Amino acid sequence: DSGVTQTPKHLITATGQRVTLRCSPRSGDLSVYWYQQSLDQGLQFLIHYYNGEERAKGNILERFSAQQFPDLHSELNLSSLELGDSALYFCASSVGGEDQPQHFGDGTRLSIL
Amino acid sequence: DQQVKQNSPSLSVQEGRISILNCDYTNSMFDYFLWYKKYPAEGPTFLISISSIKDKNEDGRFTVFLNKSAKHLSLHIVPSQPGDSAVYFCAASAIGSNTGKLIFGQGTTLQVKP
Repeated sequence: DSGVTQTPKHLITATGQRVTLRCSPRSGDLSVYWYQQSLDQGLQFLIHYYNGEERAKGNILERFSAQQFPDLHSELNLSSLELGDSALYFCASSVGGEDQPQHFGDGTRLSIL
Repeated sequence: DQQVKQNSPSLSVQEGRISILNCDYTNSMFDYFLWYKKYPAEGPTFLISISSIKDKNEDGRFTVFLNKSAKHLSLHIVPSQPGDSAVYFCAASAIGSNTGKLIFGQGTTLQVKP
């Protein structure tokens, strides 16, 4: 158990819809990261938040947004969903230093029908 | 452009023997490297890391070696156990980028036979 909690575990929805994925980091961790793992791609970095502020963005679509709340939990919002958005979405957390390992949750599997 | 490559999709070893998983990278700015293990339906689990100021780091049965000139790192598992059967990912980051972004390889599936 990494201590990182992601909900829900599975999400099935239709094209055009909007969903919210939630992540609770390990106790004491200030950084939260979001990654996407599609079938034909490895783990791809989406976005990094540190103590409530956006620190870095990767190849995150404009239809996607994220935020980190004062209690340090984070949400990833995906809107106008397309079939290609079907993937595993992982959240990771770390203490905050760039040379500290990231610890991953078990992911949310998003299926778009 | 795949900056982190794991050229062996799979590896099979006998229980008790050494498992060696390899990883190559192309970006000379990478200075922090990690190995993760992943079981089906679970997230990646952190195993061991190494910064570029070192060439070796050990933690129990796991040792990571870094060859900066060759842009190559390897994970040694000794002795291998059936419970080590999983997908192993190497990942790299550039600390100076201040992004925390990890670049992952495609993974190597390790099977340890009893």
